[in-house]
Amino acid sequence: QLVESGGGVVQPGGSLRLSCAASAFTFSSYGMHWVRQAPGKGLEWVAFIRYDGSNKYYADSVKGRFTISRDNSKNTLYLQMNSLRAEDTAVYYCAKDGQLEGFDFWGQGTLVTVSS
Amino acid sequence: AIWMTQSPSLLSASTGDRVTISCRMSQDISNSLAWYQQKPGKAPELLIYAASTLQSGVPSRFSGSGSGTDFTLTISCLQSEDFASYYCQQYYSFPLTFGGGTKVEIK
Repeated sequence: QLVESGGGVVQPGGSLRLSCAASAFTFSSYGMHWVRQAPGKGLEWVAFIRYDGSNKYYADSVKGRFTISRDNSKNTLYLQMNSLRAEDTAVYYCAKDGQLEGFDFWGQGTLVTVSS
Repeated sequence: AIWMTQSPSLLSASTGDRVTISCRMSQDISNSLAWYQQKPGKAPELLIYAASTLQSGVPSRFSGSGSGTDFTLTISCLQSEDFASYYCQQYYSFPLTFGGGTKVEIK
């Protein structure tokens, strides 16, 4: 129901855009999140966008470098990542907001590796 | 930001044991807390939301309690498929935060 793509290897300072294709639910009715997990580490919330794109929130660690967006006509969520650093290396998950009921659906994740 | 302290970070237990995991907040979050299970190489799965409501399809051996600043996840009778990592998460205010995680391993 949520399928991420766009991960890969990028040099420090580079850019990457992740996508998350949604199906089997009314994408345009739900807020969406990006969450990441560095190798061997815990979960870190990255960003959130409301169902209509009207409000966006970011973790301090990515503010000013990452941009979350969505195209409800394509049922797709995006994460534009600029000025990438080694510490951004992680598996990135998209997750559906359960509307005060946690994150009820997650994608399988896509790996981003920032390395020279 | 709301800080979360999850403990223990590692829990060794046997099948059939009752286990508890704690999550403490730096400020009152009412009941805006969720628990997730994650197995190696897999995405997290929602177990409990609103501190104590079981997500559909989750076995009843899982339960959550607490409100305000102190929360607990309990597994009443540990099964082999429960050996995994568990995370608490607050969704009371942005930035959203996760606890550091608890790995439940076979004793």
